[in-house]
Amino acid sequence: GNSVTQMEGPVTLSEEAFLTINCTYTATGYPSLFWYVQYPGEGLQLLLKATKADDKGSNKGFEATYRKETTSFHLEKGSVQVSDSAVYFCALPNLDSGYALNFGKGTSLLVTP
Amino acid sequence: DAGVTQSPTHLIKTRGQHVTLRCSPISGHKSVSWYQQVLGQGPQFIFQYYEKEERGRGNFPDRFSARQFPNYSSELNVNALLLGDSALYLCASSPGGGELFFGEGSRLTVL
Repeated sequence: GNSVTQMEGPVTLSEEAFLTINCTYTATGYPSLFWYVQYPGEGLQLLLKATKADDKGSNKGFEATYRKETTSFHLEKGSVQVSDSAVYFCALPNLDSGYALNFGKGTSLLVTP
Repeated sequence: DAGVTQSPTHLIKTRGQHVTLRCSPISGHKSVSWYQQVLGQGPQFIFQYYEKEERGRGNFPDRFSARQFPNYSSELNVNALLLGDSALYLCASSPGGGELFFGEGSRLTVL
């Protein structure tokens, strides 16, 4: 079935550093790809998405490009802030239920002042 | 507009007991799905309902069951609780595809 593999954390960066969180996927066809973020004590919220190959999703300074050649959807941000400290999840549709998602294990990011 | 609401937010049970978790989707959303998030892991898909019918089931034992009501709210039931059922249970709603909107979850501790 569809699955994603994320780089393991935790990732610790200084404020204004460049961020990359790697995500690779295994899927049937070319499904939509998502990044969700979970701030401490909260539920998940959609950060960005891409619906087809070569699409770039972007939001709040974060970007990810859907690359079918490398089956990747890496999350990047040019200059992180302390408020970006959270857990980031890569996700794609579940084959058994098109409205549900399969998530990666998550990558914890800590940004220090 | 209210987001996805879940209740209770926290609960403690003992092994062998039963638990019912509740979820109210965003108004107008007809799809509800449930996820289990064990500490330090990503959410694992349990069930998905659309228009009151089960549309998908993850790899969970029959002790887990769910239903969706005519107002699109949903319940997740877990029988014969095990220590390993301790987790954050997340409910998500969607209008029928695409983005999922998550509640803040119900944190279950089984002693």
